[in-house]
Amino acid sequence: RKEVEQDPGPFNVPEGATVAFNCTYSNSASQSFFWYRQDCRKEPKLLMSVYSSGNEDGRFTAQLNRASQYISLLIRDSKLSDSATYLCVVNVGTGGFKTIFGAGTRLFVKA
Amino acid sequence: NAGVTQTPKFQVLKTGQSMTLQCAQDMNHNSMYWYRQDPGMGLRLIYYSASEGTTDKGEVPNGYNVSRLNKREFSLRLESAAPSQTSVYFCASIHDRGTVTDTQYFGPGTRLTVL
Repeated sequence: RKEVEQDPGPFNVPEGATVAFNCTYSNSASQSFFWYRQDCRKEPKLLMSVYSSGNEDGRFTAQLNRASQYISLLIRDSKLSDSATYLCVVNVGTGGFKTIFGAGTRLFVKA
Repeated sequence: NAGVTQTPKFQVLKTGQSMTLQCAQDMNHNSMYWYRQDPGMGLRLIYYSASEGTTDKGEVPNGYNVSRLNKREFSLRLESAAPSQTSVYFCASIHDRGTVTDTQYFGPGTRLTVL
């Protein structure tokens, strides 16, 4: 079993749609959680950190459920420019943590 | 700031050839990483350097060596390339590996094909 699992998709949605991605992690020593965005043939870039209280950045909302070891990302009012692969990322341990990357979920937003 | 830079951007090797991938960061980060990314498998850690002067193996170190030349530079060497090493290689850096909320900054990647 992978330490961080994501639905690979692809998700094909029309502009303006709301889309949600889920991610589960298996290591209970996981401390910090992030969503990264990776455009085709580019490097991953931090989209947002995920906090226990949930957090929002414009059209993007991230949620964390530690009890279920589950992270989500909600994108509202999808834009063509949101088309990318979204990586779920977890830092495990402290005092020298390791970072585990999910394989990513591909999103295509169509006009 | 340029952030994290990598050279070359593309490379084609024949089986058995050697090469070194270069990485540099200008953010005064302490820790640096080398990953490979293959379709459907996510990013896998090859080697990392927690601080200048130290290096450690990651998940998939076989066939690779690294050098942390100074605080800015971290190179990855393939001594005898194999087709299984065809991949996209990313270098990344982080300010402090001991701060669990820290996030990684990535270079643009090197696309390597081994024939």
